[in-house]
Amino acid sequence: DTGVSQDPRHKITKRGQNVTFRCDPISEHNRLYWYRQTLGQGPEFLTYFQNEAQLEKSRLLSDRFSAERPKGSFSTLEIQRTEQGDSAMYLCASSTGGGYTEAFFGQGTRLTVV
Amino acid sequence: GQQVMQIPQYQHVQEGEDFTTYCNSSTTLSNIQWYKQRPGGHPVFLIQLVKSGEVKKQKRLTFQFGEAKKNSSLHITATQTTDVGTYFCAGPISGYSTLTFGKGTMLLVSP
Repeated sequence: DTGVSQDPRHKITKRGQNVTFRCDPISEHNRLYWYRQTLGQGPEFLTYFQNEAQLEKSRLLSDRFSAERPKGSFSTLEIQRTEQGDSAMYLCASSTGGGYTEAFFGQGTRLTVV
Repeated sequence: GQQVMQIPQYQHVQEGEDFTTYCNSSTTLSNIQWYKQRPGGHPVFLIQLVKSGEVKKQKRLTFQFGEAKKNSSLHITATQTTDVGTYFCAGPISGYSTLTFGKGTMLLVSP
């Protein structure tokens, strides 16, 4: 499978715990995005990388959220001190560089904070 | 908050009926993209529109981009049960390379 892969697919955690998600983009894609989606809503932009550089970050993103893409390949999204409001589907997407290009989404990681 | 609005939020049609969803942006868009998300699935790219007034067709799907590049529509002719899902429009509002999605229109098709 050469699509975008995310791990884990599901995560249940207790409030206050830290969680980390991983995204492996399509290999030749240099752009990587993280989105969050809750029921009945469209994907909400969190952050964007071009290669290893984090170029954009949503103003709505709490300081408890951090993302990395250390070698310009896979990326991790960490949420510290999780809250119930963090429960959502976390989607990763990748695209090629230059111009306006389609985003290829992974299957997502569903986070439930109890 | 999101600055891309879609209507209706939900539509239930009988198989064979037509369906249209509308997308409006608060700002002029350089391009607009449409995605489909099946129940339990992830968004899948359908099409991108770039030019003012552009119309593109994919079999039974017709996509339009408004002359002012602030609105768009997706029309499905003679819906089938395989068309079930949520249709999102998305445009680069907050950043050149990032997409702002609408809330989507959920389509349910009864056989």
